[in-house]
Amino acid sequence: AQSVAQPEDQVNVAEGNPLTVKCTYSVSGNPYLFWYVQYPNRGLQFLLKYITGDNLVKGSYGFEAEFNKSQTSFHLKKPSALVSDSALYFCAVRDIRAGGYQKVTFGTGTKLQVIP
Amino acid sequence: SAVISQKPSRDICQRGTSLTIQCQVDSQVTMMFWYRQQPGQSLTLIATANQGSEATYESGFVIDKFPISRPNLTFSTLTVSNMSPEDSSIYLCSVDLPGGYEQYFGPGTRLTVT
Repeated sequence: AQSVAQPEDQVNVAEGNPLTVKCTYSVSGNPYLFWYVQYPNRGLQFLLKYITGDNLVKGSYGFEAEFNKSQTSFHLKKPSALVSDSALYFCAVRDIRAGGYQKVTFGTGTKLQVIP
Repeated sequence: SAVISQKPSRDICQRGTSLTIQCQVDSQVTMMFWYRQQPGQSLTLIATANQGSEATYESGFVIDKFPISRPNLTFSTLTVSNMSPEDSSIYLCSVDLPGGYEQYFGPGTRLTVT
């Protein structure tokens, strides 16, 4: 079985400061990892993904995430937070194995609050 | 990416009635998914819908309660049947695009059952 943990329900950061939203995962096979963002009263938007290759992946709105296999982590980062980044962030994992579709498992979400 | 629309965007329904939620995609996709989300909480997969076959339901969800149709490659419906206040939630549809592994989501349907 696969799982995702987001240990922080909420992260507060001052505008202009770097931000990190944490995610750890557990899968049997090779992990495909994703970050999604949900703005108030909106559906989820895809931010970035790690499939293979460079451990540092870049995505939309200046976000990036670092895949760390030994720590089974995929933390979301941004060098300088904006008030408009305030939203609910979900980490997700997909265990891709040969022979069929594998469903996506979402974390519990982390509310990011950027303080002006 | 994909543009996904859902109807209705929100509804308030009485206990015991049924509501059908529509999901329309602007491109042909093989797999469509239906999720339920309590406001501010995580997503729970209800079922996966492939065109031309029966939907696959997750544990805790049954076809009699959540019948799904998938008549073509761009459209799906989810019906919430015999509703109770516990069904109050946000219902989201999503799709996989060919060649990608990320999902794209509709804006959601906010359902309140009174």
